[in-house]
Amino acid sequence: QQQVKQSPQSLIVQKGGIPIINCAYENTAFDYFPWYQQFPGKGPALLIAIRPDVSEKKEGRFTISFNKSAKQFSLHIMDSQPGDSATYFCASGTSYGKLTFGQGTILTVHP
Amino acid sequence: GAVVSQHPSWVICKSGTSVKIECRSLDFQATTMFWYRQFPKQSLMLMATSNEGSKATYEQGVEKDKFLINHASLTLSTLTVTSAHPEDSSFYICSARDQGGGYGYTFGSGTRLTVV
Repeated sequence: QQQVKQSPQSLIVQKGGIPIINCAYENTAFDYFPWYQQFPGKGPALLIAIRPDVSEKKEGRFTISFNKSAKQFSLHIMDSQPGDSATYFCASGTSYGKLTFGQGTILTVHP
Repeated sequence: GAVVSQHPSWVICKSGTSVKIECRSLDFQATTMFWYRQFPKQSLMLMATSNEGSKATYEQGVEKDKFLINHASLTLSTLTVTSAHPEDSSFYICSARDQGGGYGYTFGSGTRLTVV
């Protein structure tokens, strides 16, 4: 089974807070772990991605933490802003194959 | 960066008619393109993998004769929803992977299909 389990389903934070979204995967062959941001009526946009040879990657306000032994990875959004309010999807895949998406997290950042 | 153009962005059609959705990679060649379907407040579900010059690979449960995929060139894949019914109403999204390798999957902006 190549499931990717994402939590929480929804998340509400105040401006400046640090929302954390978690994902767990099952297939040890996966070697690509991206996070996507999606606004209503739009396609997903890549935020940040990580390979399993590193435990953390930071790009701007977005950080991925990766735990290979636990088969888990998470997204941290530093200094969150109302404009970050969107649906976030984690995904997992391989260099030759397709992506499997998590269930999505609806993030709301209050001013 | 890589850009994938999807057209149309929305379409309304009558039940029983067919609708074609185009997915183009604008600044790179895509050997492989993917077609997803997304219902409101749900995740993306992969429908099929489209390979240039060969038949598409459909996911389990996806009707091949209903969702026709053609990938005739390295920059264009099309999805045709044949004999559309209201239950086919959904948000369809394509993505493409750069032929040059790497892990980049670029998504189109999606097509909202409404069948009335």
